[in-house]
Order: sequence, then C-alpha cells, then structure tokens
Amino acid sequence: QSALTQPASVSGSPGQSITISCTGTSSDVGGYNYVSWYQQHPGKAPKLMIYDVSKRPSGASNRFSGSKSGNTASLTISGLQAEDEADYYCCSYAGSSTYVFGTGTKVTVL
Amino acid sequence: QVTLKESGPALVKPTQTLTLTCTFSGFSLSNSGMRVSWIRQPPGKALEWLARIDWDDDKFYSTSLKTRLTISKDTSKNQVVLTMTNMDPVDTATYFCARIWDGTYFDSWGQGTLVTVSS
Repeated sequence: QSALTQPASVSGSPGQSITISCTGTSSDVGGYNYVSWYQQHPGKAPKLMIYDVSKRPSGASNRFSGSKSGNTASLTISGLQAEDEADYYCCSYAGSSTYVFGTGTKVTVL
Repeated sequence: QVTLKESGPALVKPTQTLTLTCTFSGFSLSNSGMRVSWIRQPPGKALEWLARIDWDDDKFYSTSLKTRLTISKDTSKNQVVLTMTNMDPVDTATYFCARIWDGTYFDSWGQGTLVTVSS
C-alpha cells in the first residue's frame, strides 16, 4: 500500500480556518468511510481527533471537523489556536484488515 | 482508563531480531471485538502501520513487511508481542502500540519506544 498524500505544511493565523487534504485511492479512502485523523505534538504519541470520516471522539475539540469526497478526505480546523500547532496524520482502512497512513502535515500557527 | 506501554531494547545490531512488548490495561484482549496494532515512525518521518492481532487470535501484517513480522498475544498478562527479524538501520524508529476500536481507528496509543539499529 502506498502512503496517502498530504500537503507537507499548512499555516494560518490565530482565529482562521485551515484545511488539510488526504488523497488516496478507491482501495482505501474512496472505498471505505473509515478515515481517521491524528494530532501529534513533538515527542508525543498521536491523538485521535476524527474517526469514521467525520465523527469526533470525546476529548477532541469541536473546532475539528472531517469530510470526504471521492478519494480525498479533509480535516478542517476552525478558530485556529496556538495549541493546534502540531503534525497531523490521516489514516484509512485499506481492506483485508490493513491500514495506511498519510504522509503527514505540519500545521504552523503564524 | 485504557493505557498501553511499549518496552524493549533501545539498541539492536543489524541482522538481529527485535522483540517488543506492549503491556496494556483497561481492556482485555479476550473480549470480543478487541484488537491491538503496532505502528512505527522513523525520526522526522510519517507513521507506518505494521501489524494487528485480534481477540480471536487472527493476525494481519503490512504487505511490505509481512515476511519479517510476527505478532502474538498473552491474554493472561495483557501483553502483545511483536518480533521483527533481520533488522536494518532503516528500521530505526519509534514503535507504538495502539488499541483499535471497531476495527477502523486507533483510539488509544502507548507513549512509544525508540529503537535504534546500529552496529
């Protein structure tokens, strides 16, 4: 499986909204509604922010939302805050009980 | 509260076999629907899924690494073990274990353990 494609970096000013894309194929992102998103601060473990494309777990801020169109999923962070500065990874179920992660996106708050 | 913690050697030599243990609490791998995975992250690089083991002892592996990986569980000890053979410097990474929920997403992660492959 090839890694899902994400932009290397996205930046925004406090209070703005940003969107991170995650492009795969019909064998992963496009084939299942099982895309999840993870936030990772330096030296820390990833933290689940979105699952099943657009569901938010308890403990994740409601400023985070997810969507999907075709083979591309997206994570939107609204009302950007300094604490949102981190790396973000998408992940998709890829069939046959396997998974594929994205290439990762570094979010910078200007 | 679900917790997971990885343990194993910090340094292995090329060609050696790596054995990592994930010790968890807050759930039981003998319960239907429970699953645990291993994921790794080379320094400064992206996450990579490695393997999964289910409550019924079904096992699944990354296509690119399946010939080198073995995952197993000891339900009585609440542990999942990953072995990786023929280690190479490119396998230097932080190795995480994580619980999979609903078979589709990783809801709880360990802190990770850094493994360096060097002679």
